[in-house]
Amino acid sequence: DGGITQSPKYLFRKEGQNVTLSCEQNLNHDAMYWYRQDPGQGLRLIYYSQIVNDFQKGDIAEGYSVSREKKESFPLTVTSAQKNPTAFYLCASSKPDRLTAFFGQGTRLTVV
Amino acid sequence: EDQVTQSPEALRLQEGESSSLNCSYTVSGLRGLFWYRQDPGKGPEFLFTLYSAGEEKEKERLKATLTKKESFLHITAPKPEDSATYLCAVQAWNRDDKIIFGKGTRLHILP
Repeated sequence: DGGITQSPKYLFRKEGQNVTLSCEQNLNHDAMYWYRQDPGQGLRLIYYSQIVNDFQKGDIAEGYSVSREKKESFPLTVTSAQKNPTAFYLCASSKPDRLTAFFGQGTRLTVV
Repeated sequence: EDQVTQSPEALRLQEGESSSLNCSYTVSGLRGLFWYRQDPGKGPEFLFTLYSAGEEKEKERLKATLTKKESFLHITAPKPEDSATYLCAVQAWNRDDKIIFGKGTRLHILP
């Protein structure tokens, strides 16, 4: 089945540690996105990538980093510089016409 | 600045009681407007894409419409399983494929 896979579903980390969230898609989509969702805040864009080896900062990129070495993969690293990392993280990809994003099931990160 | 505002924030309806959710947007050149449904703890599920004013799309009890300034998601005779958060998003021309989301409307259908 084609789709977007995020792993793990739940992640716990100690404060000060970097952590990497995985996002893989087998839909042959060019564009991929990372969003953060907090209660009452809606989805806020962290980073997005339109093509392999290229990515752009979204609205809240500080404390995060990404890479896009393969078309299928767009991992997100939450660094120790991110002041409030506890959140629900969503990865998405969009079709070649770059309209209509499809989402994975999310990773809930809790930093203690 | 591109902006999406959804109202109301939350809505409680009795089963069978039809209503509408609103999505107001401000973008310099709309490329597409999207509606998603999100269940708790899950990723958003795509519902509709609307491209131009006057366009309408339907799926089961849901119907989305679009004007030059806003979109409505009409829910006809809802059932408890329609309870979810409904998200609206827009993409503008010349914005490098960025998709901007509203904060959503939490819909609760009482049996």
